Amino acid sequence: GAVVSQHPSWVICKSGTSVKIECRSLDFQATTMFWYRQFPKQSLMLMATSNEGSKATYEQGVEKDKFLINHASLTLSTLTVTSAHPEDSSFYICSARDSGTNSYEQYFGPGTRLTVT
Amino acid sequence: AQTVTQSQPEMSVQEAETVTLSCTYDTSENNYYLFWYKQPPSRQMILVIRQEAYKQQNATENRFSVNFQKAAKSFSLKISDSQLGDTAMYFCAFMKTMGGSEKLVFGKGMKLTVNP
Repeated sequence: GAVVSQHPSWVICKSGTSVKIECRSLDFQATTMFWYRQFPKQSLMLMATSNEGSKATYEQGVEKDKFLINHASLTLSTLTVTSAHPEDSSFYICSARDSGTNSYEQYFGPGTRLTVT
Repeated sequence: AQTVTQSQPEMSVQEAETVTLSCTYDTSENNYYLFWYKQPPSRQMILVIRQEAYKQQNATENRFSVNFQKAAKSFSLKISDSQLGDTAMYFCAFMKTMGGSEKLVFGKGMKLTVNP
């Protein structure tokens, strides 16, 4: 089956620093990837849609200058949290759609736990 | 805007019993997908089952089946012969398929505990 990986699985950073999270589709190509944020005991909230070779589309209320998304290849999208603050601590999940099929199914990565101290 | 409502925050069931998780949604679209995802303690999102709105037949995947009532905008999940490994958060999700939008809109989730 389609596999999506995320790296790192967890990261701790100091307030004011930036951290990059990678999302990779391992056995399929993905022109479209999605980034979600999940607070403890809450649902997934879509942050942005990442499109290969073009700018990401951000959801209302998501600061595009704070959450930088780059989708430079058909198998990799990155999310950079810039100038992180404790309120950015959360679980970040990516998903990818197989662009080689007509399926709308999204395959999810295992998530990245970010803790900002 | 589409909304997905899961009114039961938590349920528990005995092993081998059957349980039904409810979900309602609101949309003006005619073409869409509905999904049930499972998120175990590992937090990996796992697709349980999906339903295309244009299909009248309810989807079934082994022990999992749905009751899709399009007019009522209801999409419940039935888990038969519950197993301990079914313990997880369950999220109902909606996806519009027209207009190029592939965004998933999730409900708040429901915590299911299967007891031995």
